[in-house]
Amino acid sequence: EAGVTQSPTHLIKTRGQQVTLRCSPISGHTSVYWYQQALGLGLQFLLWYDEGEERNRGNFPPRFSGRQFPNYSSELNVNALELEDSALYLCASSFTGSGGYTFGSGTRLTVV
Amino acid sequence: KNEVEQSPQNLTAQEGEFITINCSYSVGISALHWLQQHPGGGIVSLFMLSSGKKKHGRLIATINIQEKHSSLHITASHPRDSAVYICAVIPGSARQLTFGSGTQLTVLP
Repeated sequence: EAGVTQSPTHLIKTRGQQVTLRCSPISGHTSVYWYQQALGLGLQFLLWYDEGEERNRGNFPPRFSGRQFPNYSSELNVNALELEDSALYLCASSFTGSGGYTFGSGTRLTVV
Repeated sequence: KNEVEQSPQNLTAQEGEFITINCSYSVGISALHWLQQHPGGGIVSLFMLSSGKKKHGRLIATINIQEKHSSLHITASHPRDSAVYICAVIPGSARQLTFGSGTQLTVLP
């Protein structure tokens, strides 16, 4: 069974640009979570999608947004990139109602 | 004060030593996770606990709900255990994780 897959694995963007990160959950998992791990900081919750709807978001500005598709894959969009957006972005998936998580390997974003 | 506190922040051990990492939390939770993060960033879920104790190989995790405390033990540590270990909780009726700051473990041969 394929795990949670994220793409791309690495990318470099210029300040002010926009970026889209992608996540495919484990087959059968309907919930997708996005987390940010900035350098030297702990993991912070960004967004939670379940059954195609945004269910909760963390303390991040509106330029962080996303969506979940009918096949439960998800995109995270970040507009007007700032230097401090440089981080590892991790996606995780779970069954609805389950506390179990499976994490992807992450996308490392560098903003220059 | 963070909702999830881990100790120690850094831990260096000799191969074969018994290791304990502690996690305290201040909110009611529905579950607690122990996660392992290797260099490069990928995270593996080691345990999910809501009560009692779980064991997998050389790893043991315990939780005391009344004391809001959990421990991760590694027996007969090995250099390949070197990683960051992260405690994370699911608070109350939430579904997302709240993370501790992690413990950097280095096991020397």
